[in-house]
Amino acid sequence: NAGVTQTPKFQVLKTGQSMTLQCAQDMNHEYMSWYRQDPGMGLRLIHYSVGAGITDQGEVPNGYNVSRSTTEDFPLRLLSAAPSQTSVYFCASRPGTSGRATDTQYFGPGTRLTVL
Amino acid sequence: DAKTTQPTSMDCAEGRAANLPCNHSTISGNEYVYWYRQIHSQGPQYIIHGLKNNETNEMASLIITEDRKSSTLILPHATLRDTAVYYCIVRPLSGGGADGLTFGKGTHLIIQP
Repeated sequence: NAGVTQTPKFQVLKTGQSMTLQCAQDMNHEYMSWYRQDPGMGLRLIHYSVGAGITDQGEVPNGYNVSRSTTEDFPLRLLSAAPSQTSVYFCASRPGTSGRATDTQYFGPGTRLTVL
Repeated sequence: DAKTTQPTSMDCAEGRAANLPCNHSTISGNEYVYWYRQIHSQGPQYIIHGLKNNETNEMASLIITEDRKSSTLILPHATLRDTAVYYCIVRPLSGGGADGLTFGKGTHLIIQP
């Protein structure tokens, strides 16, 4: 298994540009999520999905859209990039969403985004 | 989620046991203690979790006090590759919904050669 993969690894955007950060997992996990990490800070939840076709907002959703058309993929879209969105973005997945599911989350390697 | 308090940084000699403390005095009865770590420029990695009994796996041991108000993560034989930021998180076992992990600033563990 490749685990959780993210592309691209690095990206530079100009203010106002849009782009999509890709995330995929090959572990058949139901739950997927996106976090951002700013320098010296912990991770903050942007959006999450408990299964294909179901998404919801996390702590800091403004400026981002997500969709979950398949179990494997969970792309994050920046609609109009702003310098405040300069950050490292991590995608994560875990096996299930039931009360018995372990909360062991598997994280991707991250995408380092700079918005000028 | 209950708040956790961790030291900002710690040093440990290579080959020795690294003991990372965490205070969680407001933990609720149904909340677990989780530990993750983040090696520089990588995504966080799950280490271990527990409710009230001590736990051990291939990576570490977790010691939770009887009153559950604090815990210690133990890396028995620290190596240079264990240098990372270690996060202590308390939350209920997953039940669906916005159960994203709440990461604080963690403890920066530096293993000295």
